[in-house]
Amino acid sequence: EVQLVESGGGLAQPGGSLRLSCAASVSGFRGSWMHWVRQAPGKGLVWVSRITADGSGADYADSVKGRFTISRDNANNMLYLQMNSLTVEDTAVYYCVRVAQTWFDPWGQGTLVTVSS
Amino acid sequence: QSALTQPASVSGSPGQSIAISCSGTSSDVGGYNYVSWYQQHPGKAPRLLIYDVTHRPSGVPDRFSGSKSGNTASLTISGLQAEDEADYYCSSFTSSHTYVFGIGTTVSVL
Repeated sequence: EVQLVESGGGLAQPGGSLRLSCAASVSGFRGSWMHWVRQAPGKGLVWVSRITADGSGADYADSVKGRFTISRDNANNMLYLQMNSLTVEDTAVYYCVRVAQTWFDPWGQGTLVTVSS
Repeated sequence: QSALTQPASVSGSPGQSIAISCSGTSSDVGGYNYVSWYQQHPGKAPRLLIYDVTHRPSGVPDRFSGSKSGNTASLTISGLQAEDEADYYCSSFTSSHTYVFGIGTTVSVL
């Protein structure tokens, strides 16, 4: 079973940057595609980004393309999301999630990002 | 990619059955048998309920079942219980090789 723990959330100013991290337990991480999903306060789930198992490929939602960068360190079982040029619309809880085949499981507990001046 | 369409809310009495629909297009729900469903209680992370349209992971009660017809998938909760009161989201793989979620449905147990 894979356990996921996100960190790095907090308060950022519009136009600022934050780097989210996700620590994964050893079993299953290195062979899995990993994703970030976010949820604005009181709103629904929105897919943000994904990265292939070996880190060679990534995709992004149009709303974050060119501003966010997903990466991973398989040697240390870590997933990252570098978020630049933040806007208030990026305020959300960000979840780190594994997609082993076609479904999202397990989910981390999430980390809250608040963008405000 | 537009969010999949779900009813905003569904309610039922304990013991009753309810169904939540999830409507998409031939580029997502209708094009692949890769629809999954998630339950989310307030302040908690989502939990996988159904994957690949009809499959239930171990530990999920058999009161939860999934189906699909054309561009619409459905989650049925049979024998509704108080602890089923939560938000429910569908998700589908898309022709862009990404994923899209539904807008979410709040289930109330009367």
